[in-house]
Amino acid sequence: GESVGLHLPTLSVQEGDNSIINCAYSNSASDYFIWYKQESGKGPQFIIDIRSNMDKRQGQRVTVLLNKTVKHLSLQIAATQPGDSAVYFCAESNLFSGGGADGLTFGKGTHLIIQP
Amino acid sequence: GAGVSQSPSNKVTEKGKDVELRCDPISGHTALYWYRQSLGQGLEFLIYFQGNSAPDKSGLPSDRFSAERTGGSVSTLTIQRTQQEDSAVYLCASSLEWGGGELFFGEGSRLTVL
Repeated sequence: GESVGLHLPTLSVQEGDNSIINCAYSNSASDYFIWYKQESGKGPQFIIDIRSNMDKRQGQRVTVLLNKTVKHLSLQIAATQPGDSAVYFCAESNLFSGGGADGLTFGKGTHLIIQP
Repeated sequence: GAGVSQSPSNKVTEKGKDVELRCDPISGHTALYWYRQSLGQGLEFLIYFQGNSAPDKSGLPSDRFSAERTGGSVSTLTIQRTQQEDSAVYLCASSLEWGGGELFFGEGSRLTVL
């Protein structure tokens, strides 16, 4: 799969600044997208999701933007904190149009480092 | 339990030995997934179960890997004749239904093959 064989890209941000993590997805039929956060030594945890009939969704300090035209997904984290340091994965599926055979397809992941 | 539970959390074994990893999904979740994550890398899909059935086993890396799920609940991932390249964290996830909804992950089983 696409997540295998490459080391993760790294994004370094100053504490308090905003960060943007980008993800290009592959399947134009995908209609559901999720961002996961994985802290060191732990399993991935759900952050926020978005359906393809939306282009923006906001949570607490996080915003997900979806551009279906160019198949691009981004996660914006406002006022970053040390606890935001983690690996962030995007995932796609066609949940609402029948479901993929293996459920979610994960992107490669981005390692976010918050500098004090 | 409240979340996905995996055991053992850490396993160190010698090359050539068999290992068995266990996953206890969230109660009532019909879909169960196994992923592998090598150090510093992304998630590699291995296999999923809809109930007790695994419709697609093509994600398993080799015939040394097998998985089963009984009673629509607990799943075991077995690796026979382990090799050093099998060293990784094996993550289990479950979801209410199959098809790509939110996955709830366990903490993983870290396997080290010496």
